Amino acid sequence: ETGVTQSPTHLIKTRGQQVTLRCSSQSGHNTVSWYQQALGQGPQFIFQYYREEENGRGNFPPRFSGLQFPNYSSELNVNALELDDSALYLCASSLIASDPYEQYFGPGTRLTVT
Amino acid sequence: AQSVTQLGSHVSVSEGALVLLRCNYSSSVPPYLFWYVQYPNQGLQLLLKYTSAATLVKGINGFEAEFKKSETSFHLTKPSAHMSDAAEYFCAVSSGYSSASKIIFGSGTRLSIRP
Repeated sequence: ETGVTQSPTHLIKTRGQQVTLRCSSQSGHNTVSWYQQALGQGPQFIFQYYREEENGRGNFPPRFSGLQFPNYSSELNVNALELDDSALYLCASSLIASDPYEQYFGPGTRLTVT
Repeated sequence: AQSVTQLGSHVSVSEGALVLLRCNYSSSVPPYLFWYVQYPNQGLQLLLKYTSAATLVKGINGFEAEFKKSETSFHLTKPSAHMSDAAEYFCAVSSGYSSASKIIFGSGTRLSIRP
């Protein structure tokens, strides 16, 4: 069974640029959630994708967007990067209609915006 | 709306001592509660979860937590700390009953173990 993987591991971008982060869900999982974890804080929910559609969103502006592909992998896109976007971005996969409260997290992508 | 509050951003115990990490929740409906652990430069790993079955929940690595509705608490304990337990611990609550529920995390408690 393959776990949740994320790429890249680390990323450095300049303010105003755009970034795409990628996540491959655990085998058999059909739902992907994205979280932002700023330094010294708990993860905050960005959004969730199920059947290639957004299925819930947290308090993040529209410049945070995502995609889910037919193979259930997902991308997180952030436009017009700001310094405060520097954080660890975590992806979590789960299986709807199974054990919906058990989300499996990837190792994260650390984004630094300068 | 659901929320969790973790009491103490940093807890330090001696190896072999009792570990107690405190978490209080707020929820307008019966909650689903979790404890996650995060080791340095890694993602989150689920330690245990409460989903309205037994109020005493046993997890991995010898950890357990007790759901106390009257106190709105879900404290994490381990009888004897090990050096490998040093990590960041997050208490969390799910936001609803649909299978699309998001997880709401506390701000975390860093656990240090003294030799």
